[in-house]
Amino acid sequence: GQNIDQPTEMTATEGAIVQINCTYQTSGFNGLFWYQQHAGEAPTFLSYNVLDGLEEKGRFSSFLSRSKGYSYLLLKELQMKDSASYLCAVRDRRGSTLGRLYFGRGTQLTVWP
Amino acid sequence: ETGVTQSPTHLIKTRGQQVTLRCSSQSGHNTVSWYQQALGQGPQFIFQYYREEENGRGNFPPRFSGLQFPNYSSELNVNALELDDSALYLCASSTTPGLAGGISSYNEQFFGPGTRLTVL
Repeated sequence: GQNIDQPTEMTATEGAIVQINCTYQTSGFNGLFWYQQHAGEAPTFLSYNVLDGLEEKGRFSSFLSRSKGYSYLLLKELQMKDSASYLCAVRDRRGSTLGRLYFGRGTQLTVWP
Repeated sequence: ETGVTQSPTHLIKTRGQQVTLRCSSQSGHNTVSWYQQALGQGPQFIFQYYREEENGRGNFPPRFSGLQFPNYSSELNVNALELDDSALYLCASSTTPGLAGGISSYNEQFFGPGTRLTVL
C-alpha cells in the first residue's frame, strides 16, 4: 500500500519562505504531485516530480528524492492568498490502478500579515 | 477553472437514501477518477473509469458504484447512505490512466469543484 505523511499545520508571515515536507512509502511509484486546496474548493495543481531533483515554477519549487521517499514544496515571498491546504499525492504504477493518486492529509498553511 | 464540472454543488440526504453525483470531464479527457474527501482529510480514491469500464477501485464497499458514458462523463452512485458518507466528492479527469513500466508522462488530473454531500 501507500503511506503519505505531511505536517498537519504550519504558519508563516507574509514575505517569508516556508518549506512543507512530505514523506512517502510506496510499493509502486510513478510520480509525486503537489496540490493547493482552498477551503471548500477543489485541489488545484502546483507541481509534479518524477525524477530526483528540484522543479522550479515561479514562487513555488518542489524537490524529490526517490531513494529517501521524500519531497518538499517550497513557497517563497509568501502572500496572504497562499493560506490554504497543501496536498502531497503519490501516483501509483501498479496493475489496474495505474494513475491512481494517494493523498496525504494535507498541510494547512496560515500566512499572517 | 479546469473545465471539469460536477453537479449538484451541494446535497442533503438522510440515512438509507440513495444519491447520484455527476461529472463532466474536460474536453479530450477519457479517464475519470472519483475521490471522497472527509473534513480535514486528503482525498481518498474511490474508483476510476477508462473507456466506460471500471479501471481500478479503492477500499470502498460495493454500495459505491459508477458509470462512464460514451462522451466520457461519469456518475457516482451511493446506495444505503450512512452518516460517514458525508464528505466532499471530487471527480478528476485526465488522459490515459498511466503507462506501465518506465516513467509515465505528466498526465495531470484536473479536479472538478466537487459535490458537498451531507447525510443526516
